[in-house]
Amino acid sequence: DAKTTQPPSMDCAEGRAANLPCNHSTISGNEYVYWYRQIHSQGPQYIIHGLKNNETNEMASLIITEDRKSSTLILPHATLRDTAVYYCIVRESKGYTGNQFYFGTGTSLTVIP
Amino acid sequence: KAGVTQTPRYLIKTRGQQVTLSCSPISGHRSVSWYQQTPGQGLQFLFEYFSETQRNKGNFPGRFSGRQFSNSRSEMNVSTLELGDSALYLCASSLGLAGDQETQYFGPGTRLLVL
Repeated sequence: DAKTTQPPSMDCAEGRAANLPCNHSTISGNEYVYWYRQIHSQGPQYIIHGLKNNETNEMASLIITEDRKSSTLILPHATLRDTAVYYCIVRESKGYTGNQFYFGTGTSLTVIP
Repeated sequence: KAGVTQTPRYLIKTRGQQVTLSCSPISGHRSVSWYQQTPGQGLQFLFEYFSETQRNKGNFPGRFSGRQFSNSRSEMNVSTLELGDSALYLCASSLGLAGDQETQYFGPGTRLLVL
């Protein structure tokens, strides 16, 4: 699976959009981009995923560049409860041969009042 | 639907003992994966079970083992506990099929402390 690079930490003002970048320059054509977040000592929470197109759900938007070498997770109106470690994961769809996510070190997002 | 549940939530053991952790996946999910999270190593994949068969395994010693039952519930076992096994053990379930349906949903974890 492709490796990802994320900034170790970011701050965001409450109510503003939080834009979290992720580089995955070695991504291949059948690899999905997933985002999870983990609030201290809890299990990771699924946020969103995409393959080629931009995606939006009730939590966030995922913008994937045309060459798929990078992506940005957007939290449109950050709240204090969005303070967490955010993981960008690139995952190959292997069908019935296995299901494994490689978590890097993530970005620690702090939302400031 | 109920989420992934893990029992127990907290556990204290001593070196040399063995421990069994349990995970109940989301109803209808057939794949269960286990991860270990420590401050130094982050989240590391242990193994994955699908339809009672281990189909993927991470780089952990043989002291770590698991199994899955016909109802998709899974257990993992750690024998001869070492201090370094102190960690948050996370279970994740997915439908286990290809493409989009491999999205994993995590439980709250079991925090194991080895003294």
